[in-house]
Amino acid sequence: AQTVTQSQPEMSVQEAETVTLSCTYDTSESDYYLFWYKQPPSRQMILVIRQEAYKQQNATENRFSVNFQKAAKSFSLKISDSQLGDAAMYFCAYRSPTYSGAGSYQLTFGKGTKLSVIP
Amino acid sequence: NAGVTQTPKFQVLKTGQSMTLQCAQDMNHNSMYWYRQDPGMGLRLIYYSASEGTTDKGEVPNGYNVSRLNKREFSLRLESAAPSQTSVYFCASSDLMGPYSNQPQHFGDGTRLSIL
Repeated sequence: AQTVTQSQPEMSVQEAETVTLSCTYDTSESDYYLFWYKQPPSRQMILVIRQEAYKQQNATENRFSVNFQKAAKSFSLKISDSQLGDAAMYFCAYRSPTYSGAGSYQLTFGKGTKLSVIP
Repeated sequence: NAGVTQTPKFQVLKTGQSMTLQCAQDMNHNSMYWYRQDPGMGLRLIYYSASEGTTDKGEVPNGYNVSRLNKREFSLRLESAAPSQTSVYFCASSDLMGPYSNQPQHFGDGTRLSIL
């Protein structure tokens, strides 16, 4: 079974600065997908960025980018020019490409990192 | 843009009471999921439905039942609520584009359920 570990329960960053959130995972599969989700106080889960394991290029979405190290099984999220609206819980998630059960794809989540942004 | 809609947003139950959480999506997605989120535990999958008419157990299915009523709707039922089921419940949906699809799951706003 896959496991996802987020070793930083809480992080803080000064507004306009850069912060990196860590995520490691354990898998025996070679092809898979990785996601970062944001959960603000409203509790809605919002997709931030996704990475396909077969792609060597790190994914980027505006101020959000990842550092994907496949051999190390590491998938960190970098937030540049942090804004007050970035304050939230951030969850790293792993998804296998392998069919499970009736053909659906399950996400395995880490326990989350609470990010605070200091004005 | 409704996306995934969950009802209710909050509910308090007494031990032993039953309740159904409703979820509907308007994105024509094939797959739907129910998760629970507990402090320090992250999200855990309760049940999922790959397509209309099929349901499968996830990581923590005990004490729950589900119904995929049609392609849009996927309900979660607690037959006899227990304090251990106090949690925040999330419904999600996704579309499958093939074995190597990277389509993410879209989440609802969650239901905060307290069992006294």
